[in-house]
Amino acid sequence: GQSLEQPSEVTAVEGAIVQINCTYQTSGFYGLSWYQQHDGGAPTFLSYNALDGLEETGRFSSFLSRSDSYGYLLLQELQMKDSASYFCAVKYNFNKFYFGSGTKLNVKP
Amino acid sequence: DGGITQSPKYLFRKEGQNVTLSCEQNLNHDAMYWYRQDPGQGLRLIYYSQIVNDFQKGDIAEGYSVSREKKESFPLTVTSAQKNPTAFYLCASSTQRSGTGDQPQHFGDGTRLSIL
Repeated sequence: GQSLEQPSEVTAVEGAIVQINCTYQTSGFYGLSWYQQHDGGAPTFLSYNALDGLEETGRFSSFLSRSDSYGYLLLQELQMKDSASYFCAVKYNFNKFYFGSGTKLNVKP
Repeated sequence: DGGITQSPKYLFRKEGQNVTLSCEQNLNHDAMYWYRQDPGQGLRLIYYSQIVNDFQKGDIAEGYSVSREKKESFPLTVTSAQKNPTAFYLCASSTQRSGTGDQPQHFGDGTRLSIL
């Protein structure tokens, strides 16, 4: 089966940097995705890593180490609007996705 | 604009009743998915379809059924066999590129189903 572990909640102040970790166990691994979901809303795609290394998209970066079955999402220059839940999801067996339980990020002024 | 449309936004089910949730996409995506989300939880895969007239069970398919007669449409029926259907249901689609390609899932706005 598949399993994902990520912290349930993280708190940080506006302007700071926060890292949300994700460790996974899966067979047929293809890649690791990150999604943002505001309360009551639909998830929106942030990033996807298929190969080891860091991917940067504006204030958000995502990292993957396939040998360690580990990834993280890095959010810089935090803004109040970044308060949301963040999900890591593994892509496996060509086109299936398994989501973690999510990390609730609270950004304080 | 391209996107995924789910309807209705809110749905109420009586005991013993089947209900159908609609999902339509105009993104020309081959793959479509249905997820269930319970409060404070992640998304769990119910069914997915990679091509018209074909679909596969996900992790929690019991009590649900789907069809994929058209590329654009992937309706989900919550049957009376699903004893705890109250949840937020999300439909998603993605392109059918091979393995390591960047294939973000695009989500609809969801349907909230409750029991009367």
